[in-house]
Amino acid sequence: QVQLVQSGAEVKKPGSSVKVSCKASGGTFSNYGITWVRQAPGQGLEWMGGIIPMSTTANYAQMFQGRVTITADESTSTAYMELKSLRPEDTAVFYCARFETKFGVPQSLDYWGQGTLVTVSS
Amino acid sequence: QSVLTQPPSVSGAPGQRVTISCTGSISNIGAGYDVHWYQQLPGRAPKLLIYGYTNRPSGVPDRFSGSKSGTTASLAISGLQAEDEADYYCQSYDSSLSVNWVFGGGTKLTVL
Repeated sequence: QVQLVQSGAEVKKPGSSVKVSCKASGGTFSNYGITWVRQAPGQGLEWMGGIIPMSTTANYAQMFQGRVTITADESTSTAYMELKSLRPEDTAVFYCARFETKFGVPQSLDYWGQGTLVTVSS
Repeated sequence: QSVLTQPPSVSGAPGQRVTISCTGSISNIGAGYDVHWYQQLPGRAPKLLIYGYTNRPSGVPDRFSGSKSGTTASLAISGLQAEDEADYYCQSYDSSLSVNWVFGGGTKLTVL
């Protein structure tokens, strides 16, 4: 049974950083990619970036470039998303999700973490 | 403004059939990239509902079906049930430089 378990809720001050973890179990971590999705309160899903652990290469949505870093540790089957220079409008639930690639093209997000609420407030 | 366009809301009575559209462009659906659909129940994480336009993961009832026509994908839900009330999102891949993964804005399904 594949599971993605994320770290707990965080409260952060504006200007600070947050690092959210996503631990995978029940599958071969290096065979899949992990992507991160943001969902602001009452809003839709927004892609932030993703990584394929085997390649260690991450790519990011332009709107988060320079503020987000996605990494993966194959030894612990854990992916991380760090978001810097937090602002109140970053308050959201952050999800990790797993994907595989076919001919280099990412496929569907077949398993999702439970979500991590990050609240940015002074 | 989402790259993929969905209606904000749809509704139907129990037992009825509803469809949700997802319109893209030549850099995503029109470029041949697959469309996937996710169901998000209130307060829960999204769940994969349809992948590759028409395929259902194990455990998803056959009341849910997907299709494609041109640069528009559609999700149909037949035999509506109260537990289908949720937000539904389409997702694809985009070949533009600014973003790779794209989502629709989401459609709120209300079961009357």
